[in-house]
Amino acid sequence: SQTIHQWPATLVQPVGSPLSLECTVEGTSNPNLYWYRQAAGRGLQLLFYSVGIGQISSEVPQNLSASRPQDRQFILSSKKLLLSDSGFYLCARLPGLSGANVLTFGAGSRLTVL
Amino acid sequence: AQSVAQPEDQVNVAEGNPLTVKCTYSVSGNPYLFWYVQYPNRGLQFLLKYITGDNLVKGSYGFEAEFNKSQTSFHLKKPSALVSDSALYFCAVRDMGSSGGYNQLIFGAGTRLAVHP
Repeated sequence: SQTIHQWPATLVQPVGSPLSLECTVEGTSNPNLYWYRQAAGRGLQLLFYSVGIGQISSEVPQNLSASRPQDRQFILSSKKLLLSDSGFYLCARLPGLSGANVLTFGAGSRLTVL
Repeated sequence: AQSVAQPEDQVNVAEGNPLTVKCTYSVSGNPYLFWYVQYPNRGLQFLLKYITGDNLVKGSYGFEAEFNKSQTSFHLKKPSALVSDSALYFCAVRDMGSSGGYNQLIFGAGTRLAVHP
């Protein structure tokens, strides 16, 4: 199974507080892992991707960071949250459930920053 | 640069009628094309893909899509819509002709499908 686990499922945090969202995956070793953000229930923005342990590429500059301390673990962090960080955060892996070229997504983590 | 366009924010269809959700793309090389569906507060679920071969691909839940190279389109279709098909649909493309070791999957902005009883 190429299952993806994300937690927490929902999170409400004050502005300026830290953040840690976790993603762990099962299945094929050495997957490509991705963090996407979805704002206002619409389009997806790729934030980070990782092709291996300790290898992180950032797609957009912002106050978020990502780490991959283990092959099957991908963490999204922030030292100080902004209101604009609110959104639905999706972790994804490649290869996925439906084939080598198909991304499989986790159920998502909804972050509300107040 | 690769891009994906979903020209309709929302599509409204009566139950039992055929539905089409439009997608056009722009890539420099050969495209890999995908459709995903998202139900409220859920992750994206894979519906179907075009990699190579037959231009008409069939996927989950009775959906199909036709790859049209000359029109650079990959419209999603279903002969008879169900109320349960109401969701947010995303088209995505990966440019297999781009240079570098990473071929990013680019998503469209999404189209909300509303099927009315």
